[in-house]
Amino acid sequence: NAGVTQTPKFQVLKTGQSMTLQCAQDMNHEYMSWYRQDPGMGLRLIHYSVGAGITDQGEVPNGYNVSRSTTEDFPLRLLSAAPSQTSVYFCASSHPLTGANVLTFGAGSRLTVL
Amino acid sequence: GQNIDQPTEMTATEGAIVQINCTYQTSGFNGLFWYQQHAGEAPTFLSYNVLDGLEEKGRFSSFLSRSKGYSYLLLKELQMKDSASYLCAVRDGNYQLIWGAGTKLIIKP
Repeated sequence: NAGVTQTPKFQVLKTGQSMTLQCAQDMNHEYMSWYRQDPGMGLRLIHYSVGAGITDQGEVPNGYNVSRSTTEDFPLRLLSAAPSQTSVYFCASSHPLTGANVLTFGAGSRLTVL
Repeated sequence: GQNIDQPTEMTATEGAIVQINCTYQTSGFNGLFWYQQHAGEAPTFLSYNVLDGLEEKGRFSSFLSRSKGYSYLLLKELQMKDSASYLCAVRDGNYQLIWGAGTKLIIKP
């Protein structure tokens, strides 16, 4: 069981470039989400999905797009990178039918925008 | 607004006991989580409280008082590997997770 797999682990972009962070899970989890983590702040939800074909905005969605064409994959697209998007990004998934709905996180993707 | 407060940093000695507090103000409550995050790694689940009282899991225990908007994580018999950040998160009335900024725990020999 691989769990939640994120790629790439590290990425450096120039302002205005676009890129996609990949996230895949093999646990048949319906719920998937993307967070960003910045120093001194709690995890902030960017986008989430409760199942294939369904996505919704979180707390900080601007500048990011997502899609959920399969249960397994939930890519995050940065449309035109800005220095404010320098952060560590975590993908997380859970099975909503389990009582606590505990999140399983990927290893993280550290993005630097110059 | 919704808010989770926890101390920024704490220091403790190997073998001792430490209590990390978390206070919250949220619109509704559907559970409180504690996660552990080692530097450069992903958060991992430690505990979940939805009813008042103490949940014990080995060296770690978590307490919840819903009336006071308060929780704590108690770590006993501290080991060097317990050096990490501890994240408190509350699931609000809309079932959205609100996260605290985390408490960095430093363990000294």
